[in-house]
Amino acid sequence: DGGITQSPKYLFRKEGQNVTLSCEQNLNHDAMYWYRQDPGQGLRLIYYSQIVNDFQKGDIAEGYSVSREKKESFPLTVTSAQKNPTAFYLCASSISVAGGNEQFFGPGTRLTVL
Amino acid sequence: QKEVEQNSGPLSVPEGAIASLNCTYSDRGSQSFFWYRQYSGKSPELIMFIYSNGDKEDGRFTAQLNKASQYVSLLIRDSQPSDSATYLCAVSGGYNKLIFGAGTRLAVHP
Repeated sequence: DGGITQSPKYLFRKEGQNVTLSCEQNLNHDAMYWYRQDPGQGLRLIYYSQIVNDFQKGDIAEGYSVSREKKESFPLTVTSAQKNPTAFYLCASSISVAGGNEQFFGPGTRLTVL
Repeated sequence: QKEVEQNSGPLSVPEGAIASLNCTYSDRGSQSFFWYRQYSGKSPELIMFIYSNGDKEDGRFTAQLNKASQYVSLLIRDSQPSDSATYLCAVSGGYNKLIFGAGTRLAVHP
């Protein structure tokens, strides 16, 4: 089955702890994205990557970090510098970053700070 | 600041009726427009995209785009209870960076 997987589905973080969210795709897509969704709000872009070993900050990158060592994988680390990390995190991919290419989403990770 | 605006709803329609969802955007240079459906607790699912002015039909769904007026709409014909969800409008802001509206909640009642 082709698609995007995210793990874990639920994640609990203690104050001051870094956590890493996994995102894997087997669609052979070049571009990958991380979004955050808060209740009653639209998705906000955290980071995106056009190609392996390259990524750019989105609108709300502070307190987050990413890597893109493989085409299939784009993990997101939520650091202790992110003051309000409780949210629904969504990973997406598209064929490329050329305008018009549809983005497809993984099932999401729900992060809660204890 | 590029913005995408949607009425939060809920939009309540009876089963079998036409549901009309609207979206306006601020960036005149936007080229690509997407509608996603999101069930409660789930991730968004792409249901329609449109790039040119006019209508685009896919089954019970019709997307309408008017670039001069900067709005895009989604019509759902013969609405079913299973269509009850939040519908997100997204607009391409360059390099395929999508800007999302907050979504409109649709409730289809039997």
